[in-house]
Amino acid sequence: QVQLVQSGAEVKKPGASVKVSCKASGYTFTDYFIHWVRQAPRQGLEWVGRINPNNGDTSYAQKFQDRVTMTRDTSISTAYMELSSLSSDDTALYYCARSGGLGELVAWGQGTLVTVSS
Amino acid sequence: EIVLTQSPGTLSLSPGEGATLSCRASQSLSDNFLAWYQQKPGQAPRLLIYGASSRATAIPDRFSGSGSGTDFTLTISRLEPEDFAVYYCQRYGTSPPLTFGGGTKVET
Repeated sequence: QVQLVQSGAEVKKPGASVKVSCKASGYTFTDYFIHWVRQAPRQGLEWVGRINPNNGDTSYAQKFQDRVTMTRDTSISTAYMELSSLSSDDTALYYCARSGGLGELVAWGQGTLVTVSS
Repeated sequence: EIVLTQSPGTLSLSPGEGATLSCRASQSLSDNFLAWYQQKPGQAPRLLIYGASSRATAIPDRFSGSGSGTDFTLTISRLEPEDFAVYYCQRYGTSPPLTFGGGTKVET
């Protein structure tokens, strides 16, 4: 079965960077986009961006364009999201999710809590 | 960017009742690439509906989606205790960005 397993919780200071991983199994990693979605405490869902694991092409939401980088390592079926210049507003649960083909998110990771605090 | 507006913000119902949730898009989704997700506390969202009206794998048939253009609806025919959750609509497709609605909480 499709499974996405994310790295553990992180605590960072303002101005730092964080890198979250998402290891995929149960399907061919390069066949489907990986998206990243975040959820601030008691808030809704916010799309951060996506990566095509086949060729590494990325697309980011405009508000994160300058400080997010998504990469992948096909040898270990893992996608990464790095967010820099963190502020308290970036405190959130970050999910990776696999698309079904056009962006409907058919499988989700368990989420990684990123806390930004001085 | 297409904005999705969900209503109502909260729906107070009892088990066995029906629920109707609305999602309105700021521009027409001509391809009907509209999905619905369910999220329970402490859990990741789960895909319920894609293509506005197609149920995802293993989703019970009490969940149904309808609509086209700018107005979409998620209907839960008879609420089960496990259906009390937050529901989000999402616009997707080949052209990013993906966008989510603000969510509707179904509470008892």
